[in-house]
Amino acid sequence: DAKTTQPPSMDCAEGRAANLPCNHSTISGNEYVYWYRQIHSQGPQYIIHGLKNNETNEMASLIITEDRKSSTLILPHATLRDTAVYYCIVRGYNFNKFYFGSGTKLNVKP
Amino acid sequence: GAVVSQHPSWVICKSGTSVKIECRSLDFQATTMFWYRQFPKQSLMLMATSNEGSKATYEQGVEKDKFLINHASLTLSTLTVTSAHPEDSSFYICSAMDSYGYTFGSGTRLTVV
Repeated sequence: DAKTTQPPSMDCAEGRAANLPCNHSTISGNEYVYWYRQIHSQGPQYIIHGLKNNETNEMASLIITEDRKSSTLILPHATLRDTAVYYCIVRGYNFNKFYFGSGTKLNVKP
Repeated sequence: GAVVSQHPSWVICKSGTSVKIECRSLDFQATTMFWYRQFPKQSLMLMATSNEGSKATYEQGVEKDKFLINHASLTLSTLTVTSAHPEDSSFYICSAMDSYGYTFGSGTRLTVV
């Protein structure tokens, strides 16, 4: 599976959009991009995933560049409860295993 | 949505004893489940893949005789930490594959004293 690179931490003001970047320059054509988040001492929570088109759900939007080498998770109106570690994961369609990178610690501040 | 239940949420045990952690998929069947370990301020590390009706496959460096995995049904996988020692103290998390990707349990905090 492709390796991902994320900034270790980011700050965001409450009510503002949080844009979390992820680089996955070695991604191959059949690999999906997944985003999860982990609030302290809890299991990871699914946010969104995509292959090549941009995706949106009730939690977030996922923007994938045309060359698929990077993506951005957008939380449109961050709240204090969005403070968590956000993980970008690349998974092949036929591969079952899910490997976590180091993630981005998002600090939402009042 | 899919729910994975993990039990217990926390456990304290004496050094040298064994501890069993259960992972259940509540509203879907999971032929494959995964076990992770997470140390403080670190990311999740995949320990093993649990396959229903067959032997688990372990990641490199994970002792299969120490971390026994049983996946006896399509909704239950168990992880037994045998002869636990203080260095086994960690946060253990299971997950199962569902229609979207992976659903994770809430984790088990193991403290070995």
